[in-house]
Amino acid sequence: GQSLEQPSEVTAVEGAIVQINCTYQTSGFYGLSWYQQHDGGAPTFLSYNALDGLEETGRFSSFLSRSDSYGYLLLQELQMKDSASYFCAVNNAGNMLTFGGGTRLMVKP
Amino acid sequence: DVKVTQSSRYLVKRTGEKVFLECVQDMDHENMFWYRQDPGLGLRLIYFSYDVKMKEKGDIPEGYSVSREKKERFSLILESASTNQTSMYLCASSQPAGGTDTQYFGPGTRLTVL
Repeated sequence: GQSLEQPSEVTAVEGAIVQINCTYQTSGFYGLSWYQQHDGGAPTFLSYNALDGLEETGRFSSFLSRSDSYGYLLLQELQMKDSASYFCAVNNAGNMLTFGGGTRLMVKP
Repeated sequence: DVKVTQSSRYLVKRTGEKVFLECVQDMDHENMFWYRQDPGLGLRLIYFSYDVKMKEKGDIPEGYSVSREKKERFSLILESASTNQTSMYLCASSQPAGGTDTQYFGPGTRLTVL
């Protein structure tokens, strides 16, 4: 079976840094993706890690440790518009994604 | 920009009705997917298709079927809708890229079965 664990909810203040963790158990693994979904919106791709280490894209960074079956999404200089749900997803063979349950991030002023 | 459209944003049906959810993508993507999204459960894969007339079961195919007669269109069919199929349904498409496939999602259809 496959499973991904991430916190259900995280709260932070504007300007702060927040880290959303994701641990996974999967039979096939090509990499770890992160998607953002605003309320009422479609999930949109944020980042992808195939190899161990940190990938940085502007204010967002994503980290992967394959040996620990662990990754995280790091959001810096939080803005109100970052309030959304964030999903980690394992890229399996056959172009498939298995998603975690999502982390709802609330950014407060 | 990739565009994935879904036929309805909101749909209300009665138990036992046959329901069709349509999805169209405009980027000539090979792969198309149907997910359902429920609070706390994330997105769960119902079916996917990697080519016209090809389909593969996902994690929760029971009670659903799919059709892909044209590359750009992927339909999800609920043969006999039940109340436990009340959910948000999301369609996505991607182009195979050796593991880095980014999926592009439609806006979703919120289906209520009464």
